[in-house]
Amino acid sequence: GAGVSQSPSNKVTEKGKDVELRCDPISGHTALYWYRQRLGQGLEFLIYFQGNSAPDKSGLPSDRFSAERTGESVSTLTIQRTQQEDSAVYLCASSLGTRTGELFFGEGSRLTVL
Amino acid sequence: GENVEQHPSTLSVQEGDSAVIKCTYSDSASNYFPWYKQELGKRPQLIIDIRSNVGEKKDQRIAVTLNKTAKHFSLHITETQPEDSAVYFCAASPPFRGGADGLTFGKGTHLIIQP
Repeated sequence: GAGVSQSPSNKVTEKGKDVELRCDPISGHTALYWYRQRLGQGLEFLIYFQGNSAPDKSGLPSDRFSAERTGESVSTLTIQRTQQEDSAVYLCASSLGTRTGELFFGEGSRLTVL
Repeated sequence: GENVEQHPSTLSVQEGDSAVIKCTYSDSASNYFPWYKQELGKRPQLIIDIRSNVGEKKDQRIAVTLNKTAKHFSLHITETQPEDSAVYFCAASPPFRGGADGLTFGKGTHLIIQP
């Protein structure tokens, strides 16, 4: 498809385990964002990639969170030693990278930490 | 960094009435202000945006106004309909400063349209 694709759509894990969430942006989109959305809450910025610039990691809540992106393609968000408060929907979005362009969101990855 | 405040957190209006959601931002250099709508269980989608060189923009029943002096912008929905029920997020984007500054969202407004 032509949209932003995220996997897995649902992930249930035990406290202390590591998880990887994947995002496939729209082809040609240089900007990629990760947001966290807790149940009934707003969009919490995590990290932003723009082309070859150093990523803006200012939103990552702890050193257990990390993200990578190879070029202008797939991004992976990794959460190490998961905690119950990490339970949320993790949304990925991409844009053409003009910084004033529309963000196209994926369906999200729902993470449940037991 | 940019800080965006959004009010109210919940807004209930009668079908057919108007709804207004307000946001303020902290960075006077911010120059792009989009609004996203998120229906229950779905992804956020852009509904309208405004740039800092414009004071108002309309698209059918939806309008956005921007007051740069006061650093606030508002979403106006007229003749509300049941399908307008959703969470609405405002956002602000500061100008490029050499890093990878991202879009900052408000905490959202849950709009409820009463039949």
